[in-house]
Amino acid sequence: GAGVSQSPSNKVTEKGKDVELRCDPISGHTALYWYRQSLGQGLEFLIYFQGNSAPDKSGLPSDRFSAERTGGSVSTLTIQRTQQEDSAVYLCASSFTKGIGELFFGEGSRLTVL
Amino acid sequence: GQQLNQSPQSMFIQEGEDVSMNCTSSSIFNTWLWYKQDPGEGPVLLIALYKAGELTSNGRLTAQFGITRKDSFLNISASIPSDVGIYFCAGASGANSKLTFGKGITLSVRP
Repeated sequence: GAGVSQSPSNKVTEKGKDVELRCDPISGHTALYWYRQSLGQGLEFLIYFQGNSAPDKSGLPSDRFSAERTGGSVSTLTIQRTQQEDSAVYLCASSFTKGIGELFFGEGSRLTVL
Repeated sequence: GQQLNQSPQSMFIQEGEDVSMNCTSSSIFNTWLWYKQDPGEGPVLLIALYKAGELTSNGRLTAQFGITRKDSFLNISASIPSDVGIYFCAGASGANSKLTFGKGITLSVRP
């Protein structure tokens, strides 16, 4: 497709289970970002990829969160042993340029942890 | 860490009115961006500002990059119902730094 694609769009899980969220960036975009959006909050930065490497993962909240990117394209954000406070919308964005460029966002994956 | 301040959290205006939103920071940013988010969708870029003092328009939208590099404002003129949404400011301090977002302002437009 033409835009950033994220799946699943909605995920309900039980506390303690692991979840994987997928992001398919715009073709040719080298930079990929994950942000988290909680109700009434702004977009909280999680991690940034340039190609397959992550020069900035400073926003990952705990070691239960990890992300990888393969082939300079698809990225997966994994949350292990989910907690209720992990409930949020997880947004992925991609950009053509390294560093600051115009980010194009996907529609997000809404995670609800019961 | 770096923070961007947007207030108030919500604004209510009448269709046809102009509205101005401010974004401030205690840190200097070298790039300011304004995004709009509609319900159930990701944010969409409205205006990008790359130079202190820069004033840029996009249709009914006008944004300025503050001369101190610590603030920016967005003006929407002659508001219409589809202007409803959450408006985020975002800033970056360097060419390779991440974007920091404000908490957003939810705009409601009464017909």
